[in-house]
Order: sequence, then structure tokens, then C-alpha cells
Amino acid sequence: EADIYQTPRYLVIGTGKKITLECSQTMGHDKMYWYQQDPGMELHLIHYSYGVNSTEKGDLSSESTVSRIRTEHFPLTLESARPSHTSQYLCASSDPGQGEETQYFGPGTRLLVL
Amino acid sequence: GDSVTQMEGPVTLSEEAFLTINCTYTATGYPSLFWYVQYPGEGLQLLLKATKADDKGSNKGFEATYRKETTSFHLEKGSVQVSDSAVYFCALSVSYSSASKIIFGSGTRLSIRP
Repeated sequence: EADIYQTPRYLVIGTGKKITLECSQTMGHDKMYWYQQDPGMELHLIHYSYGVNSTEKGDLSSESTVSRIRTEHFPLTLESARPSHTSQYLCASSDPGQGEETQYFGPGTRLLVL
Repeated sequence: GDSVTQMEGPVTLSEEAFLTINCTYTATGYPSLFWYVQYPGEGLQLLLKATKADDKGSNKGFEATYRKETTSFHLEKGSVQVSDSAVYFCALSVSYSSASKIIFGSGTRLSIRP
């Protein structure tokens, strides 16, 4: 059973608000990821991290930012939310030390920006 | 470049029918292959994996065999149940000397009729 958590699960906010989506894992994994999942189901990697103080942009350009101050915590922030940010956001982690990239996913945050 | 192509959905079957969801891949190295499942309202969960050619991954009645000669990893189940209704993602991961990456297919939605 994977121990990766996301809060909130659902969020409805107005345009222009600043929001932070939380992601925490208790497995000690170095690598963490944020995906945006569109209604067509496809996953788009928006940010990833190899470890503390390491963050990289993913394949899909995003106006969000991330930080990795602690191994277990990888929050995603939107400074000014817009309706185009409405989506589901999935956090994941993996342990490359196992020799392959099995990813463990959180339950997701479903964001609606009005 | 590395890529994953999977069968487009939605796929609708009757209970107890035989299931195949096709997945093919392109990779420059020696990938590990995965099937993930996403149930409604949840994040992705690892369903099964195979790390080298001719390996067979299996779980919950699902099977997939790593076929290097056809670069395929098709998902099969002999008798599906209503509870198998979900979105299924094929994925590969490739490790390099200094990094690794994972690539997901676009997902296949499966609906099972009672």
C-alpha cells in the first residue's frame, strides 16, 4: 500500500486566487512528480524533483511552481488561478534505487476555477 | 524518441467477456513495462509490471507479457467483472547512466456491462 497523500481532494476557487496543492509521501522516495490530467484522461508531466532543492519543469508548460524543501513534501502553487487551470492534479513518487521507475500515486486534487 | 501507443477507447464489454487492451512501445534502451489502473475518483495504481523480455506480469487475473520482438505489452484478462471498469494506462520506464524517465500512454477507458 502506497503512502502518498494529497490535499485538498476537491477545490473550487475564484479567478485570481493563490492556491497551494499539498503532496506528501512517507516512503522516503527521492523522486516526486506532478501530473495534470485532462478530461480526456491523458497525463501530462508538469514538474518533477530528484530530491531536496531539486525541481525541474516537465513536458507540459505550466504556470504553476513547485518547491522541495523536505524529502517528503512537494507542494504545487498557482499564484493566480484561472479557469484554464481547471483540471485534476496527480502527485506521484518513485524510488529509482529499486532499478526501475514504479510510481506511486496520490488520490489526486480536482481543481475547479470559476 | 521513446513512446507508448495504446488502444483507443472507450472499450465496452459484457461481464465475463475476454479482454485485450493493446500496447506497443518504442524505446532506445531496455525499458521496464507497466500497466496502471485508475478507478473513478482515484489516482493511478500499479496493476502489473515486467522488467525484461519474455517476463509475464500478472495481478488480479490480468496478465501481460513483455514481447521484445513485437515491442508489445498487451493487457489481457480471461473473464472481466463490472468492478474492472476503470481507465488503464500502459507505461514504460528507461534508465540511463545519470537519469531515468517514465512515459505513459494516453489511457484506455474500459466499461463492463452487467
